[in-house]
Amino acid sequence: AQSVTQPDIHITVSEGASLELRCNYSYGATPYLFWYVQSPGQGLQLLLKYFSGDTLVQGIKGFEAEFKRSQSSFNLRKPSVHWSDAAEYFCAVASSGGSYIPTFGRGTSLIVHP
Amino acid sequence: DARVTQTPRHKVTEMGQEVTMRCQPILGHNTVFWYRQTMMQGLELLAYFRNRAPLDDSGMPKDRFSAEMPDATLATLKIQPSEPRDSAVYFCASGLGLASYEQYFGPGTRLTVT
Repeated sequence: AQSVTQPDIHITVSEGASLELRCNYSYGATPYLFWYVQSPGQGLQLLLKYFSGDTLVQGIKGFEAEFKRSQSSFNLRKPSVHWSDAAEYFCAVASSGGSYIPTFGRGTSLIVHP
Repeated sequence: DARVTQTPRHKVTEMGQEVTMRCQPILGHNTVFWYRQTMMQGLELLAYFRNRAPLDDSGMPKDRFSAEMPDATLATLKIQPSEPRDSAVYFCASGLGLASYEQYFGPGTRLTVT
């Protein structure tokens, strides 16, 4: 069965600083990977996804993520964080073999200091 | 701007009462998911539908929860009788076919059972 670990419950960064949120997955074959963002009081919004091909994926809002098979990781990055990026971030993995249902991590709460 | 809508956004009810939550998926989407989000458990998949047919509801407590899609534009999640442990945010998400993997989330219904 697939699983996702987001090791950091909270991350605090200063506005303008770079950001990296960690995500590790467990799945036997090539996974389908996703990052979602949840702003306070809102539902989840897809930031980016990886299915195949280039392992560096660009998403919305200036985010990118890199798939590293050797490390079973799919870390989310942003070079310069804005105060509006403060939110909960969820990594998710789905099996390429066909259950089609993503498994979500527990989330990382991003706090942005001015 | 197509989006998933959920009603009500907030619900406070007493233990033992019936609660009905409604979801309108994005027009044309044929898969609908119900999730529950709590601090303790994170995001849990309760049930999902494809073309209005329930595919999996193994995540739901069967004795009190039920999910239906009376038509393609409406999904409902009912709890009867409600209990304090049901207090959570309930999200509906829709997608275009299971194999698309992408889910579009509604804003959620925040349920408080006293």
